Amino acid sequence: DAKTTQPPSMDCAEGRAANLPCNHSTISGNEYVYWYRQIHSQGPQYIIHGLKNNETNEMASLIITEDRKSSTLILPHATLRDTAVYYCIVRVTDKLIFGTGTRLQVFP
Amino acid sequence: EPEVTQTPSHQVTQMGQEVILRCVPISNHLYFYWYRQILGQKVEFLVSFYNNEISEKSEIFDDQFSVERPDGSNFTLKIRSTKLEDSAMYFCASSEWGYEQYFGPGTRLTVT
Repeated sequence: DAKTTQPPSMDCAEGRAANLPCNHSTISGNEYVYWYRQIHSQGPQYIIHGLKNNETNEMASLIITEDRKSSTLILPHATLRDTAVYYCIVRVTDKLIFGTGTRLQVFP
Repeated sequence: EPEVTQTPSHQVTQMGQEVILRCVPISNHLYFYWYRQILGQKVEFLVSFYNNEISEKSEIFDDQFSVERPDGSNFTLKIRSTKLEDSAMYFCASSEWGYEQYFGPGTRLTVT
């Protein structure tokens, strides 16, 4: 089972920051947090991952709390093309265990 | 930008038939994976493959499933005798160092 908890859905206005929360209270010290998204039935798309430090790339920022029990994915300027299901995943072994994710709807 | 590719995009087969789903991972990647997603359900891990052998597999990946890297570029998933419940989107993924996994567009398998 997934080790994460996410809200089922969120809305965001186009151009605004989208902040997607994730709880992973049972995470172990060497387990990474990964974020993926899936647009319609396309293949999941890698966004970002981190262990304990905050991370930023061209797509998003990942903020991990100091106790590592939760994290937030930030899309700084959401566009309509960011409408998707976003998955927060704590990776235990080789495999990614997908939960039901957060359905982000970006509206004009 | 390099991408994982999968063929065919849609495969229709009759129950009991064998199918082979094909994937071309990103060229310098060393780790390979198959996942599947039944319509309306979660993405599920099937198998991971590294150094020409399976490194991890799920309960779904039973004796009816097998994987192979027949040459330096392809990675295949074979289902020996398909069942109705094998109908799903099958995603291949690859990873350079075993961290980020990059997914292909998927093959939709329909078993009739």
